[in-house]
Amino acid sequence: DQQVKQNSPSLSVQEGRISILNCDYTNSMFDYFLWYKKYPAEGPTFLISISSIKDKNEDGRFTVFLNKSAKHLSLHIVPSQPGDSAVYFCAATGGTSYGKLTFGQGTILTVHP
Amino acid sequence: SAVISQKPSRDICQRGTSLTIQCQVDSQVTMMFWYRQQPGQSLTLIATANQGSEATYESGFVIDKFPISRPNLTFSTLTVSNMSPEDSSIYLCSATDGLLGNTEAFFGQGTRLTVV
Repeated sequence: DQQVKQNSPSLSVQEGRISILNCDYTNSMFDYFLWYKKYPAEGPTFLISISSIKDKNEDGRFTVFLNKSAKHLSLHIVPSQPGDSAVYFCAATGGTSYGKLTFGQGTILTVHP
Repeated sequence: SAVISQKPSRDICQRGTSLTIQCQVDSQVTMMFWYRQQPGQSLTLIATANQGSEATYESGFVIDKFPISRPNLTFSTLTVSNMSPEDSSIYLCSATDGLLGNTEAFFGQGTRLTVV
């Protein structure tokens, strides 16, 4: 049972444009969500997070939106840069599993110059 | 943010042997975890490494196959025992110091294991 899903395996975007990465979850106990970026041969790097008490969190070029009723979150990157090209993972935690992260399958983002 | 170092960064091992992966954090942390990323897959939690007591394993993972130690608040090891080619994966150590939201979960660079 895939509790966190990223349905787009890949996304290609032109430099300077917006990148939108999507994530859906099924477990209602999840109340904290994180986005990680991963380059090959490196561990995941934390990008941004959001608590279920908020519907938006912004940090520089990165904004995460949470729609609790739809159990959906998205990561917006504006403007996209070639250095943003990486695999992006959505992760969730909450309830009795607090601290343990459940990850989506990842989305490969490619930003073209 | 905590800095997490894993050793080795990669290894090629013969089937039937065991490999111990070390995870060192540069500061004391509350929680440490071990994850696995199989080829083309997402990250899956193996277990929570508990300081001074037995690790807590997720469904599908057992202590005999993945023994874990955590002797103090900055160090943990994961052993992959009696390896088979199906164990070829990236193994990742993660740590967090406190409640998520006040701090985040950080990851080591991973250990890429190939079993032949």
